[in-house]
Amino acid sequence: GQQVMQIPQYQHVQEGEDFTTYCNSSTTLSNIQWYKQRPGGHPVFLIQLVKSGEVKKQKRLTFQFGEAKKNSSLHITATQTTDVGTYFCYNNNDMRFGAGTRLTVKP
Amino acid sequence: DTAVSQTPKYLVTQMGNDKSIKCEQNLGHDTMYWYKQDSKKFLKIMFSYNNKELIINETVPNRFSPKSPDKAHLNLHINSLELGDSAVYFCASSQSGTARSQFFGPGTRLTVL
Repeated sequence: GQQVMQIPQYQHVQEGEDFTTYCNSSTTLSNIQWYKQRPGGHPVFLIQLVKSGEVKKQKRLTFQFGEAKKNSSLHITATQTTDVGTYFCYNNNDMRFGAGTRLTVKP
Repeated sequence: DTAVSQTPKYLVTQMGNDKSIKCEQNLGHDTMYWYKQDSKKFLKIMFSYNNKELIINETVPNRFSPKSPDKAHLNLHINSLELGDSAVYFCASSQSGTARSQFFGPGTRLTVL
């Protein structure tokens, strides 16, 4: 089935720097979801993108869905230590999560 | 009130034993899931039930058997536990239909010795 490839696997940033994680698919996605999992916690739903070229914002988080609906990104502006965790994209077509990007933030 | 709850939170057991993990959701959702998360944090779907009917059964050893007595519960029974079964198991639920967000339980950390 379809697979979403998520990169990078790890990202270590200094507090205040920006962070971006990407999900790419070889085929068109009907929609994509993003989840965050804090260390020791469980995945928590952040957002869903459905429309081609869609951009949604949640405070410092910006989510994009590509025009061709084959890729998506999550961008965090000016990271804070509370942003630490693993960010997953989720492909609803085949009900699979990306491998996740583990973000660590140095204060 | 906890939306999706799992018991136990931790489970340490010997190889060869049989164990069960319970999951309950009070969100009124029709669909429930079991995921396995390994040490590399990869989240893999194992099973999904919709209205007590099995709709997804990924390539999982048949030592794993889900049971859904009603819409609000999805339990996971594991026979003849192996070292490789050590992982965190998450239960989740969602409304039925496509493109529904999932609510996850706190997870059960299973350690097989």
